[in-house]
Amino acid sequence: DTGVSQNPRHKITKRGQNVTFRCDPISEHNRLYWYRQTLGQGPEFLTYFQNEAQLEKSRLLSDRFSAERPKGSFSTLEIQRTEQGDSAMYLCASSQTGSNYGYTFGSGTRLTVV
Amino acid sequence: DAKTTQPPSMDCAEGRAANLPCNHSTISGNEYVYWYRQIHSQGPQYIIHGLKNNETNEMASLIITEDRKSSTLILPHATLRDTAVYYCISRINFGNEKLTFGTGTRLTIIP
Repeated sequence: DTGVSQNPRHKITKRGQNVTFRCDPISEHNRLYWYRQTLGQGPEFLTYFQNEAQLEKSRLLSDRFSAERPKGSFSTLEIQRTEQGDSAMYLCASSQTGSNYGYTFGSGTRLTVV
Repeated sequence: DAKTTQPPSMDCAEGRAANLPCNHSTISGNEYVYWYRQIHSQGPQYIIHGLKNNETNEMASLIITEDRKSSTLILPHATLRDTAVYYCISRINFGNEKLTFGTGTRLTIIP
């Protein structure tokens, strides 16, 4: 297992287009998190899953954002009708219930909306 | 989760110990102190965490004051690869699951 994998690493899209990102967590981890990071800021929490259940969503996650984890393994984050303000690094992390050793983050997907 | 305060930036000479402070004066008794770092263009990396006692692992040491209102992350022999943004986060384990990041400390290791 090579850690948390995110694809694509970079995405450039035109305003108004839809984009989808994928995250493959560490296989034995049952929790999966999405964060967003803009330049000069720390990562901001978006949502998290325990297995396939989405347990918490930030108010940052507008109606244009949707996340799924259909079989409790990989997850997708979709942004519809992208806006320039959506340009950011989207980070995925995973952890295992009962472990207090923190999350393992992926390298992120950098989205640029032009 | 308690709010943490860190200096925005620090420099350290290569080979010296880097001491990164963090204030968490409103931390509650069941909140842990976590440290992560983020090297440019990568996701954050877990370093260490602690509750009351000082902790050490292969990456760093964590010194927590007796009143738990502040802590210091120590990188004993800093290398150029330690240049990164370091985040101090307080969190209740097995409760609120999300990590709340601040803006961290940008540590620059000087050759």
